[in-house]
Amino acid sequence: DAGVIQSPRHEVTEMGQEVTLRCKPISGHDYLFWYRQTMMRGLELLIYFNNNVPIDDSGMPEDRFSAKMPNASFSTLKIQPSEPRDSAVYFCASSAGTSGRGWTGELFFGEGSRLTVL
Amino acid sequence: GQQLNQSPQSMFIQEGEDVSMNCTSSSIFNTWLWYKQDPGEGPVLLIALYKAGELTSNGRLTAQFGITRKDSFLNISASIPSDVGIYFCAGQRGGSYIPTFGRGTSLIVHP
Repeated sequence: DAGVIQSPRHEVTEMGQEVTLRCKPISGHDYLFWYRQTMMRGLELLIYFNNNVPIDDSGMPEDRFSAKMPNASFSTLKIQPSEPRDSAVYFCASSAGTSGRGWTGELFFGEGSRLTVL
Repeated sequence: GQQLNQSPQSMFIQEGEDVSMNCTSSSIFNTWLWYKQDPGEGPVLLIALYKAGELTSNGRLTAQFGITRKDSFLNISASIPSDVGIYFCAGQRGGSYIPTFGRGTSLIVHP
């Protein structure tokens, strides 16, 4: 079974450009999370969705960041315009939430998208 | 912001040594999770703890859920080079699917 798939793995762009990061969660998972990882701040939760609906976006740094989940198998995180301080590794993760067997609490992470804004 | 204090921040050890790291919080958690992040990869769950006092092992790894429900530790015995990575603790409160992550412990193992 394929895990969480993120693209691109690496992106280098210039300040002011639009960046779009993509995520395909594990099939059947009803929670999707976007995290940002930096040396200074560790893993920060940016936003999460439940059944494609954004539940909490309080971690989104500012209006330049937006996230969508148009269907259960796809989500995007967009930065427009990008700035050098946005350079980080962005992770998407999915989780099964409650199930008949009970919830384990496990998040399944993708391999991340490393963004460098020059 | 972060509510979990994870320590130490980094460790440099010799192969074969035992490792211990811990996580503390001012809040009570119902679940403690330990993840490992290999270089260039996303974090992967190692151990999940669901009851205060619970002690769980996964190979050379042992983790415990503190009695106060405000702390947890992870031990690695007889470390090997492939143990290198960042270890994250994460706590979850009752009724919430959203884990709070610690800042991570970076482990370097010298052969």
